[in-house]
Amino acid sequence: QKEVEQNSGPLSVPEGAIASLNCTYSDRGSQSFFWYRQYSGKSPELIMFIYSNGDKEDGRFTAQLNKASQYVSLLIRDSQPSDSATYLCAVWSFYNTDKLIFGTGTRLQVFP
Amino acid sequence: KAGVTQTPRYLIKTRGQQVTLSCSPISGHRSVSWYQQTPGQGLQFLFEYFSETQRNKGNFPGRFSGRQFSNSRSEMNVSTLELGDSALYLCASSLEGQGDYEQYFGPGTRLTVT
Repeated sequence: QKEVEQNSGPLSVPEGAIASLNCTYSDRGSQSFFWYRQYSGKSPELIMFIYSNGDKEDGRFTAQLNKASQYVSLLIRDSQPSDSATYLCAVWSFYNTDKLIFGTGTRLQVFP
Repeated sequence: KAGVTQTPRYLIKTRGQQVTLSCSPISGHRSVSWYQQTPGQGLQFLFEYFSETQRNKGNFPGRFSGRQFSNSRSEMNVSTLELGDSALYLCASSLEGQGDYEQYFGPGTRLTVT
């Protein structure tokens, strides 16, 4: 079982729609969760982090965390073609060694 | 504030050689983590340095090593390069490096081993 799982996509949404990206994790002890955006050929860029159950909003982005279900999601409202990228879910894990574990990413395509 | 910087940005090496990559964290950040990113394996944690000490280590062979200097700058070394070491090597800096501190990535060093 992978420690952090994401659907690889691509997830295709029309411009202006809501894009919903999902992530599940296996370490029940995890407390910190991050979303990174990575454009092709570039390094990951931190866009959201969440530490408590519930929703956290920042501009067009909303992160949602449900620790009981071991599930974290990212909503992008009013999606723009410039949002087209790979979105990486990262979970801080204390299992074996303290480290940030990344999912393989979901590729998002926003078409005009 | 300036972001994380990495040098060199691109590197081509031959099998059996060794390589040293450098990372300068965001000013004030004391933790530096290194990652390897490949199309097949994704982003994988190599190790983390804090206050000149390796604090955490991933599942990579001993050919991969690193160090951190008193100004928090870090270097990563790979000895006896193999073809499979071709990857994007990323460093990320964080204030303290534990779970509730965000990590910010540098632009990466793309290593090609021929």
